[in-house]
Amino acid sequence: GAVVSQHPSRVICKSGTSVKIECRSLDFQATTMFWYRQFPKQSLMLMATSNEGSKATYEQGVEKDKFLINHASLTLSTLTVTSAHPEDSSFYICSAEWGPTYNEQFFGPGTRLTVL
Amino acid sequence: GESVGLHLPTLSVQEGDNSIINCAYSNSASDYFIWYKQESGKGPQFIIDIRSNMDKRQGQRVTVLLNKTVKHLSLQIAATQPGDSAVYFCAENTGGFKTIFGAGTRLFVKA
Repeated sequence: GAVVSQHPSRVICKSGTSVKIECRSLDFQATTMFWYRQFPKQSLMLMATSNEGSKATYEQGVEKDKFLINHASLTLSTLTVTSAHPEDSSFYICSAEWGPTYNEQFFGPGTRLTVL
Repeated sequence: GESVGLHLPTLSVQEGDNSIINCAYSNSASDYFIWYKQESGKGPQFIIDIRSNMDKRQGQRVTVLLNKTVKHLSLQIAATQPGDSAVYFCAENTGGFKTIFGAGTRLFVKA
């Protein structure tokens, strides 16, 4: 149980276009999901906390107008990278929170974004 | 700002030996710590966790030690296998359930 999927797993786009990444909790409901970005040979950096039915909470330095997050249901959160540029190329990973007591996080497999 | 960091960026061990990966954290108020394994091109995989009211926890071939006095965390892997080769991250779970990741250590297992 507690499986998280992401789609697509890999995407290549032209500079200036927008890209949407989906994060789904497959066998549980998640009121809270998290979005991370990971550059090569670096750690995961938390971008934002996605809350079902409310606005996302962004970490300092993350542009909310560039990285649009929508958490419209208990099993789906989306991250849209708007007007993507080559510097947005990265590995984007989501996680979903679940647990009867101390909520654990379950991570998706990641999405590799390459902006040309 | 608050951070979780690692002492060793890379670690190379012989197959069958024990591995020890270290981590320092800076937020003394953190009360939940997790070790993750990440293979190339994949998301982090949970290995083991520990709450701040414990100083040791054992799993299958893995042990996590927590020293709150010096804010230090370690992951011990017994009888390291080639399949253990990956990047290992310690993470700190702060109030509000945000997870902050450390820099990571790459473990190489030599056959």
